[in-house]
Amino acid sequence: DAKTTQPTSMDCAEGRAANLPCNHSTISGNEYVYWYRQIHSQGPQYIIHGLKNNETNEMASLIITEDRKSSTLILPHATLRDTAVYYCIVKESNTGKLIFGQGTTLQVKP
Amino acid sequence: GAGVSQSPSNKVTEKGKDVELRCDPISGHTALYWYRQSLGQGLEFLIYFQGNSAPDKSGLPSDRFSAERTGGSVSTLTIQRTQQEDSAVYLCASSLASGPDNTQYFGPGTRLTVL
Repeated sequence: DAKTTQPTSMDCAEGRAANLPCNHSTISGNEYVYWYRQIHSQGPQYIIHGLKNNETNEMASLIITEDRKSSTLILPHATLRDTAVYYCIVKESNTGKLIFGQGTTLQVKP
Repeated sequence: GAGVSQSPSNKVTEKGKDVELRCDPISGHTALYWYRQSLGQGLEFLIYFQGNSAPDKSGLPSDRFSAERTGGSVSTLTIQRTQQEDSAVYLCASSLASGPDNTQYFGPGTRLTVL
């Protein structure tokens, strides 16, 4: 079973920041949080990952709470092309396999 | 550089036939994963390779499913005596290694339709 819970869906206005929450209260000390997104049943696209520090790359920022029980993915200026299903995943530390939940469907509206 | 590639992109077959799906990982990636996504369902893990060995086959749904990897590179997923419930998008991903800080990159998938 997935170790994360996410809202089923969210809306965001184009040009505004999209903040996608994720709960992972049972995360272990050496497990990373990964975010992927999937557009129109294409292969999942990697966005960002982190262990305990906040991370930023050209796509997004990842804010992880100090107790590591939750995180937030931030898309700073959402565009219509960011409409997708966003998956928050706690990656298994032994095999590295990804256990996907249902994700959050983000709809960016004009 | 080249990403993960999969072939064919689409496969239509008749119930009872065998099919082979191919995955070419990113060059130098030692870990390779197969997942599948059925219509309206989430992605589910099938099997994981580290080099040519498969330490975790726990996601294979039945003994009709098998996979192999040769030369630490290309992998083939074989489904024997296909059933309609095997219809799904089969996705392959690879990473430099299997550790938790190694990002998996996905291919475009093979859409399998069993008539």
